[in-house]
Amino acid sequence: DQQVKQNSPSLSVQEGRISILNCDYTNSMFDYFLWYKKYPAEGPTFLISISSIKDKNEDGRFTVFLNKSAKHLSLHIVPSQPGDSAVYFCAARRGTASKLTFGTGTRLQVTL
Amino acid sequence: GAGVSQSPSNKVTEKGKDVELRCDPISGHTALYWYRQSLGQGLEFLIYFQGNSAPDKSGLPSDRFSAERTGGSVSTLTIQRTQQEDSAVYLCASSYTGTGGYTFGSGTRLTVV
Repeated sequence: DQQVKQNSPSLSVQEGRISILNCDYTNSMFDYFLWYKKYPAEGPTFLISISSIKDKNEDGRFTVFLNKSAKHLSLHIVPSQPGDSAVYFCAARRGTASKLTFGTGTRLQVTL
Repeated sequence: GAGVSQSPSNKVTEKGKDVELRCDPISGHTALYWYRQSLGQGLEFLIYFQGNSAPDKSGLPSDRFSAERTGGSVSTLTIQRTQQEDSAVYLCASSYTGTGGYTFGSGTRLTVV
């Protein structure tokens, strides 16, 4: 049972444009959501997070939006840069001090 | 250390052999996690250690898999009688309290031939 889903395995965006990566979840008990970025041969690195009490969190070029009623979150990257090309994983957690449940990832390619 | 260290970075083993994967977390991090990523799949949770509490082993796929964490620091993931479906990248992560984001190591790529 895939509780966190990233339905787009890949996305290609031109440099300077907006990248929107989507994530859906099924467990309404999840209350904290994170995005990780992964380059080949490296471990995932934490990018941005959002608590369920918020609907938006912004950090520089990265913004995460949370729609609890739709059980949907999205990561916006604007403007996209070639260095953003990586696999992006959405993750969710239920309560504090518990394991993260990850999605299957979306491979983003930013083209020149 | 400065980051989470995993060894070996690559391991090729014959089917049926036992393997041990090591994780050295960030000093002071009380929580340690093992995940694996099979080809084309997401990160699959395996096991979680938090301080002196009993580990959450709910993600271990079979009794061939076990893990321990000695002295609240280094962890070893052991896979006995390896099978080809065990081939994956095994990732270790640690965090300060089990909350917030994790810091991942670079992983061990295990290939069972």
